[in-house]
Amino acid sequence: EVQLVESGGGSVQPGGSLRLSCAASGVTFSDHYMDWVRQAPGKGLEWVGRIRNKANSYTTEYAASVKGRFTISRDDSKNSLYLQMNSLKTEDTAVYYCARGIAVAGTVWVDPWGQGTLVTVSS
Amino acid sequence: DIQLTQSPSFLSASVGDRVTITCRASQGISSYLAWFQQKPGKAPKLLIYAASTLQSGVPSRFSGSGSGTEFTLTISSLQPEDFATYYCQHLNSYPLTFGGGTKVEI
Repeated sequence: EVQLVESGGGSVQPGGSLRLSCAASGVTFSDHYMDWVRQAPGKGLEWVGRIRNKANSYTTEYAASVKGRFTISRDDSKNSLYLQMNSLKTEDTAVYYCARGIAVAGTVWVDPWGQGTLVTVSS
Repeated sequence: DIQLTQSPSFLSASVGDRVTITCRASQGISSYLAWFQQKPGKAPKLLIYAASTLQSGVPSRFSGSGSGTEFTLTISSLQPEDFATYYCQHLNSYPLTFGGGTKVEI
């Protein structure tokens, strides 16, 4: 069974930094694209970004709202995904989920998701 | 960027009802659309991908249809465990986006 466990969330002041981690088990992690998705309290889902696998040169894509401030990386030897968040703003407050990508039918779908980790940006 | 508009945003229904949720894309996305179910305090769960393919383990009362710009998620006979919020997501191009969600309540 695939399991994804996020960690590293917490409270931080505006302008600060935080690094989230996502540990994967039950899956050949290195084969898969991985996504980060967030959900502000009481709001809908917002895609944050994606990192491709080694076969696709670990390239990344980001939402405009985080581009230049957030960086997605991975360590396949540790089955781990990371989200480095810099210059945090109050509007970055959200539960952050990692999700595995599955390449089927011409694109990459995401399933399953981790349980999420809460990031609160407040002074 | 491709915008996804879900309707309705809120739906009141009863057990046994047939429920239909619509997702409209601001431009054509072929069949690159997924549907997710989210219950309070839980992570989203993939129900349908490629617009109409049921994810493994998802009950057959869920179905999806559409292509291009208009898509629907149908629950043929609503069960108590189906009361949740449903989101569509396109995977046609970057940035990927989600619809605003449809909350299904009793």
